[in-house]
Parts: sequence; structure tokens; C-alpha cells
Amino acid sequence: AQSVTQLGSHVSVSEGALVLLRCNYSSSVPPYLFWYVQYPNQGLQLLLKYTTGATLVKGINGFEAEFKKSETSFHLTKPSAHMSDAAEYFCAVRSNNAGNMLTFGGGTRLMVKP
Amino acid sequence: NAGVTQTPKFRVLKTGQSMTLLCAQDMNHEYMYWYRQDPGMGLRLIHYSVGEGTTAKGEVPDGYNVSRLKKQNFLLGLESAAPSQTSVYFCASSYVVSTDTQYFGPGTRLTVL
Repeated sequence: AQSVTQLGSHVSVSEGALVLLRCNYSSSVPPYLFWYVQYPNQGLQLLLKYTTGATLVKGINGFEAEFKKSETSFHLTKPSAHMSDAAEYFCAVRSNNAGNMLTFGGGTRLMVKP
Repeated sequence: NAGVTQTPKFRVLKTGQSMTLLCAQDMNHEYMYWYRQDPGMGLRLIHYSVGEGTTAKGEVPDGYNVSRLKKQNFLLGLESAAPSQTSVYFCASSYVVSTDTQYFGPGTRLTVL
């Protein structure tokens, strides 16, 4: 069984500041890891994913995440926050199970102050 | 290419009423999923389907039924709605490859009074 923990249900940063959203996972097999973003009143869209290969993954809108196996982490970062980054962010893990099911973390709401 | 669409967008039910949520995808995906989203709990899988005519239970299946009679459609039914089923429901779909992305619909906001 796998699980995902996102530390901090709410994170507030100033515009231009570093964004760091934390995600830790547990999985009995090598995981595939995903970050999704949800803007108000919309569905989820993929930011980035790690499957195999390079552990530093770049996504859309300047976000990136690094897979650290020893720390079981997949933290999301962006060097400089923009007002348009305000949204809810979800980390998810998928093991090689039938149906390719995802297990989601509880989500982190990012607020960006002017 | 509409992607994943959901009908309706909003619905209010009284306790004990029934309803069906429709999900449609035009990407020829094999896999489809129904999730519910509740504050602080992320998304939880209700049921899923790995192909036309097949369905399986997810993490929170009680009180829901599903059907996948056509590859492009995945229906979620509530036979006797309860206030605990007040939530936002999302449908998603994906290809078979395990590294593939799940594509989400815009959601249905359901309130059960």
C-alpha cells in the first residue's frame, strides 16, 4: 500500500519569493510520482511527473521537483512566485498496480501575497 | 477535442434521492476513474474501470455504483443519497501505459440536504 503526506495544508509566500511545497510518500515498490495543480473551480492538471531516469524533473510554469529516494520525498519548487501560481497543489503516487491507480496527498493551498 | 467532460456541473439532492453523474472522454482512453474531493483529504478513488464492460472498487466505494457500457462513457450512480456524499466529484481517464498521465474533468459539485 502506498500513501502520500503533504506537509502544510496552507503555504503563503510573497510574490517573487521561493515556493517550496513538501511531499513525502511511502511505497513498497519503486514509485511513479506526480504533481497536479487545481485552479479555483477547475479540474486538476498535470504539472510534472517522475517515472524513471533523471531525478530532477521540470514541469510547466517554471516548477520543478526532485525525487530523493533516500528521503522518500518529491518536493515541488519554483524560484520566484507569481500571483497566477495561487492554487491548490496535489502530490500523488502510483505503484505498478492494475488500473494505474493514483494515491493523492491532502493538498497544499498556495497563497501569493503582492 | 473536448478531453474529459462531466454532466452536470452542479446538483442539489435531498436525502434518499438518486442520481447519475456522466463522464465522457474523447481520447480513446482505456482506463477511467471516479474520485471524490473533500477538504483536507485530497482526492479519493471511488471506482475505476480498465476497459469497456469492466469496473472495480476503489478506496471509498460504499454507496456508489458505476457502469462502463461504452468505452467513452463512465457513469457514477448514487442510489440513495446521504449528506456524507456531499462532495466534489471528478472523473479522470488515461491510457494503459503505467507512466501515463490521468486527465481530469472539470468536476461536479453535489450537495445532499
